[in-house]
Amino acid sequence: DIQMTQSPSSLSASVGDRLTITCRASQRINNYVNWYQQKPGKAPQLLIFAASSLRSGVPSRFSGSGSGTDFTLTISSLQPEDFASYFCQQSYSLPPTFGQGTKIEIK
Amino acid sequence: QMQVVESGGGLVKPGGSLRLSCKASGFTFSDYYMAWIRQAPGKGLEWVAYIGSSGADISYSDSVKGRFTISRDNADNSLYLQMNSLRAEDTALYYCARTETTSVGAWLDPWGQGTLVTVSS
Repeated sequence: DIQMTQSPSSLSASVGDRLTITCRASQRINNYVNWYQQKPGKAPQLLIFAASSLRSGVPSRFSGSGSGTDFTLTISSLQPEDFASYFCQQSYSLPPTFGQGTKIEIK
Repeated sequence: QMQVVESGGGLVKPGGSLRLSCKASGFTFSDYYMAWIRQAPGKGLEWVAYIGSSGADISYSDSVKGRFTISRDNADNSLYLQMNSLRAEDTALYYCARTETTSVGAWLDPWGQGTLVTVSS
């Protein structure tokens, strides 16, 4: 199975901060990475697919980049509604696997 | 809008069985792969199984293979997960999700709110 190592596992930040979350795959996976946001008690929601494509309706402050083994999710200016957990996921090979998540908390 | 709603979770004893259901609306269900994903309390996400649009293409995670069966009824816009020989480690919130499959990968969107399965004596 492909391992997705996500970092950091948690971080404290303030409204307006620029944040970057990274995900490293255990082997090359082209750009077959997706990013999801999960708020407490809620289902995950797709933010980014195919490494850098923004899902319709997702604010443009979210962006994704990377290819091969290293991927990043960037929030350009953190908003109050962005305090949540974020997961990466690879779809390069079965089984689809997720990173362990990054929880963003209010500083 | 696109929506999937899970049901059927509950408390079951080790070795018992449970059948989860997922009802889809707002999209042409028969055009899409569907998946089950679970999340143990306080843990990350684990893909459980997927099923192709016609039901012919099926895959399971090693952790549930031989115990769980995924199926669908396209006439009723419904997805199912039959869970047998349940273990304590199957305790989790089970999500249903539509799977978009393309030449640049596959992603899960939307997800349901989940249904809780607790395996305990």
